[in-house]
Amino acid sequence: GDSVTQMEGPVTLSEEAFLTINCTYTATGYPSLFWYVQYPGEGLQLLLKATKADDKGSNKGFEATYRKETTSFHLEKGSVQVSDSAVYFCALSDPPGGGADGLTFGKGTHLIIQP
Amino acid sequence: NAGVTQTPKFQVLKTGQSMTLQCAQDMNHEYMSWYRQDPGMGLRLIHYSVGAGITDQGEVPNGYNVSRSTTEDFPLRLLSAAPSQTSVYFCASRGPYTEAFFGQGTRLTVV
Repeated sequence: GDSVTQMEGPVTLSEEAFLTINCTYTATGYPSLFWYVQYPGEGLQLLLKATKADDKGSNKGFEATYRKETTSFHLEKGSVQVSDSAVYFCALSDPPGGGADGLTFGKGTHLIIQP
Repeated sequence: NAGVTQTPKFQVLKTGQSMTLQCAQDMNHEYMSWYRQDPGMGLRLIHYSVGAGITDQGEVPNGYNVSRSTTEDFPLRLLSAAPSQTSVYFCASRGPYTEAFFGQGTRLTVV
């Protein structure tokens, strides 16, 4: 079945540091890929997405490129801020069926940015 | 634009009590799901629905029931609450091949 693997952390960085959170996936079809962010006490919000190979999703200074050859969708940001502290989830969407709802999440990466 | 609305936000139950977590979406999405989030476990799928009148079990369905009588609503019922059901519950909706939209969550404590 489909699966998503990401580093769980916590990942601790200083403000203005470069961020990479790795995400790799396995899927039977041609999935769409997503990064969600969860701030403390809140639900998940879509951060960015990519729907086909070589697409780059971007939002709020974050970027991720859909790499079919390496089955990866790594999240990057050039200069993180304290306000980026949150839990980040990588996810994929495949057609539903076979006992699953077609949306598969990684376990989440807790990011802590220190001033 | 309300999106996905979950109620209540917080709830404390005694062991053996029953309750219903409400979820409503106003985006005419076909797919709706319930997840629970526990420390170190990520999001685990409880039940999902691909349309009105159609529901199916996810990864951790025991102790929970769902129904989908309308496109908008997807309530989750706890039949007889247990301490192991202490968790944060999220409802989500989406269309085919689109991103999921999440509610704000329900923080449930079973004592």
